[in-house]
Amino acid sequence: KAGVTQTPRYLIKTRGQQVTLSCSPISGHRSVSWYQQTPGQGLQFLFEYFSETQRNKGNFPGRFSGRQFSNSRSEMNVSTLELGDSALYLCASSSEAGRVPDTQYFGPGTRLTVL
Amino acid sequence: AQSVTQLGSHVSVSEGALVLLRCNYSSSVPPYLFWYVQYPNQGLQLLLKYTTGATLVKGINGFEAEFKKSETSFHLTKPSAHMSDAAEYFCAVSDRRQGGSEKLVFGKGTKLTVNP
Repeated sequence: KAGVTQTPRYLIKTRGQQVTLSCSPISGHRSVSWYQQTPGQGLQFLFEYFSETQRNKGNFPGRFSGRQFSNSRSEMNVSTLELGDSALYLCASSSEAGRVPDTQYFGPGTRLTVL
Repeated sequence: AQSVTQLGSHVSVSEGALVLLRCNYSSSVPPYLFWYVQYPNQGLQLLLKYTTGATLVKGINGFEAEFKKSETSFHLTKPSAHMSDAAEYFCAVSDRRQGGSEKLVFGKGTKLTVNP
């Protein structure tokens, strides 16, 4: 089974621009979560989607948004980029097959650099 | 709210020596606990997890962790370090019960160096 894939792997943007990151979960997985990883703040939860609905959200400004499609693929968008948004953005999927807790499988991440 | 504290942002061991990475958690409900490993320029890989039952959990690559409720700890160990173990390790707690979401709360990570 293919793992979680994220595109693009690397991205360079300038302040004020917006960016869209994509995540394809493991086949059959219905839950997708997004995390931001920075040297200063570590790994922080952004949001989680399940069946095209946002089920949980972390403490990030409204510039960060996401969505999930019917095939479980997910995108996250960051508008009006700031220098502090430079980070590794990780996507994780889980099957929601009834096990508690379910295991989250992580993708390789998208490295976003804001200049 | 859950939280995780990893003691020691950097740990250095010699090849063949014991690896001990410390993790303490805070949780208002019985916790689900995880250890993940991250190699350079890669995502996170699950090493092991504790849910319920046996408090000594065995994972991949020879790692194991013991859940100690009285000490609110979930330390990760490996009897003999290998060069390939050099990576960053993250301890995490799940607050799955709150709203049914699979949110993980991570510690700050411990970077393990293995010296030849």
